[in-house]
Amino acid sequence: DAGVIQSPRHEVTEMGQEVTLRCKPISGHNSLFWYRQTMMRGLELLIYFNNNVPIDDSGMPEDRFSAKMPNASFSTLKIQPSEPRDSAVYFCASSTGTGEAFFGQGTRLTVV
Amino acid sequence: DQQVKQNSPSLSVQEGRISILNCDYTNSMFDYFLWYKKYPAEGPTFLISISSIKDKNEDGRFTVFLNKSAKHLSLHIVPSQPGDSAVYFCAAERPPGNTPLVFGKGTRLSVIA
Repeated sequence: DAGVIQSPRHEVTEMGQEVTLRCKPISGHNSLFWYRQTMMRGLELLIYFNNNVPIDDSGMPEDRFSAKMPNASFSTLKIQPSEPRDSAVYFCASSTGTGEAFFGQGTRLTVV
Repeated sequence: DQQVKQNSPSLSVQEGRISILNCDYTNSMFDYFLWYKKYPAEGPTFLISISSIKDKNEDGRFTVFLNKSAKHLSLHIVPSQPGDSAVYFCAAERPPGNTPLVFGKGTRLSVIA
């Protein structure tokens, strides 16, 4: 298995533009997590899905953020409109439900 | 509020010596603890874990100790190698599973040759 695949690896966009981050979890994993890494807050959970159903989105900072998981092999995190303070590294991770989660390589987002 | 705390943002250790990274948690419901290692421009990768029913788990050069009464865990790396230089994240999970890991802010370890 290729592991968790995220795209794009890097994204530079202008303030106000829509940004979509993509994630393909490991096949057979039924939990998917979106995390954001910043210097100030470390790795913070944004939202997670179990069996494609959103369970907890309380970590989503604002209504500008939304996430979907239309099927077991794909998830998106969308920011509309984007702002400079959204600049961070966004990680997707998947797991079988207990214990270890496997992370993708992340998307480094820069909003100018 | 930070449920998992890594109070040392950075640590420098000489090659061959022991590295000790510390982690404290506040939520007594956590029953499983993990350490992840992260290199620049890569995602965190799992290193070692421990269940709350144990107080020690060892894997080669890496040992994790858990003190439940103090709500404290530590990662020992011995001997430290330059390739161990990375950011180390402590994480915790609460039952019954299918819940997300809660991470600390990380400690940057530098092993000096």
